[in-house]
Amino acid sequence: NAGVTQTPKFRVLKTGQSMTLLCAQDMNHEYMYWYRQDPGMGLRLIHYSVGEGTTAKGEVPDGYNVSRLKKQNFLLGLESAAPSQTSVYFCASSYHRAGNQPQHFGDGTRLSIL
Amino acid sequence: DQQVKQNSPSLSVQEGRISILNCDYTNSMFDYFLWYKKYPAEGPTFLISISSIKDKNEDGRFTVFLNKSAKHLSLHIVPSQPGDSAVYFCAASARSNYQLIWGAGTKLIIKP
Repeated sequence: NAGVTQTPKFRVLKTGQSMTLLCAQDMNHEYMYWYRQDPGMGLRLIHYSVGEGTTAKGEVPDGYNVSRLKKQNFLLGLESAAPSQTSVYFCASSYHRAGNQPQHFGDGTRLSIL
Repeated sequence: DQQVKQNSPSLSVQEGRISILNCDYTNSMFDYFLWYKKYPAEGPTFLISISSIKDKNEDGRFTVFLNKSAKHLSLHIVPSQPGDSAVYFCAASARSNYQLIWGAGTKLIIKP
């Protein structure tokens, strides 16, 4: 029973490099989310998706792109990494929208940008 | 402008006693509130929630109280156990959008 799986778990990038974070869920959830968590702050929503083929901006979308080509996968891309994007990234999914249903989270990706 | 505030970064409680974690919010449009628990190197896990039409919700050792007039909610854990040591996040959402707004978290330490 995997739930939400994030890959990779750790990554170190140099400024300007690009990378993609992968999130996969096996619960047939419609809604998926990408958050970042920084020290002393709560989770902040980057982008979210309400179904296959859809994406929308969250609170802090700048510098990130996302795609949801398959219902079970939600990809987060950094086109040109910046030190300000050093953070822990969490993916989550839920059956219904955030307020009415709890979100299920992956264990996070710790990303460092040098 | 923090819409959800957890003013205590940490809290230490004796095993067996009651733990009370607090959360304040500013947006009167919030109508659903959730508490999540997070262990190191893991993602948050859902603990308990409450709708704005209620003022209390219980689930085993966990009870959440909502005071809408004060824009305040609290999580009570009775009795506290060593496995309760974790970071607790309060989160809120409004019916008008999909976003959860999160507090910064409170680290709960249960002392033996």
